[in-house]
Amino acid sequence: DSGVTQTPKHLITATGQRVTLRCSPRSGDLSVYWYQQSLDQGLQFLIQYYNGEERAKGNILERFSAQQFPDLHSELNLSSLELGDSALYFCASSPTHRDSFYGYTFGSGTRLTVV
Amino acid sequence: SQQGEEDPQALSIQEGENATMNCSYKTSINNLQWYRQNSGRGLVHLILIRSNEREKHSGRLRVTLDTSKKSSSLLITASRAADTASYFCATDGYSGAGSYQLTFGKGTKLSVIP
Repeated sequence: DSGVTQTPKHLITATGQRVTLRCSPRSGDLSVYWYQQSLDQGLQFLIQYYNGEERAKGNILERFSAQQFPDLHSELNLSSLELGDSALYFCASSPTHRDSFYGYTFGSGTRLTVV
Repeated sequence: SQQGEEDPQALSIQEGENATMNCSYKTSINNLQWYRQNSGRGLVHLILIRSNEREKHSGRLRVTLDTSKKSSSLLITASRAADTASYFCATDGYSGAGSYQLTFGKGTKLSVIP
């Protein structure tokens, strides 16, 4: 157990639907990062939050949004889902917003299948 | 876009042999990190090497960094079946507002045959 908790572990939904993925960071970590992993694109950085505020955006589609709540858990919302959104979605956490200097702690991921 | 590119894409060796994976990157970095991912699981941080370091060891892992060539290598000595996994290099990138994020390569899939 890495200390980063992601739910659900698996999600199957239909095209056009909306889903919410949840992440609880490791205790004491203030930064949360979301990554998408697909076979053809590898691991893509989506978005980062630090202490409730958005810090950086990567390759995140406009149909996707995220937020970090006062208790520091984060949610990634995916809407108008398409087949191509099927992927593993990872959440990672780190103590501060500069911790690419030290390494991230990853959750075990949510496997999203869009049918 | 990917910053790091691992080579080879796949590697199959016998248990007890050494495994070497390479990573090349494009821009200047503060540090380079290696992660392991068992099939369908989360990534686990293995080792970090800073831009002013040339070599680092951790147990059976040895990482080298050549900033002039923008490349790094990960050596796993005396491999075990349990080392079977995908290995990713990651480099930090500045995204503004004092924040950095890790950018990952596509990984090397290592198979260690018992």
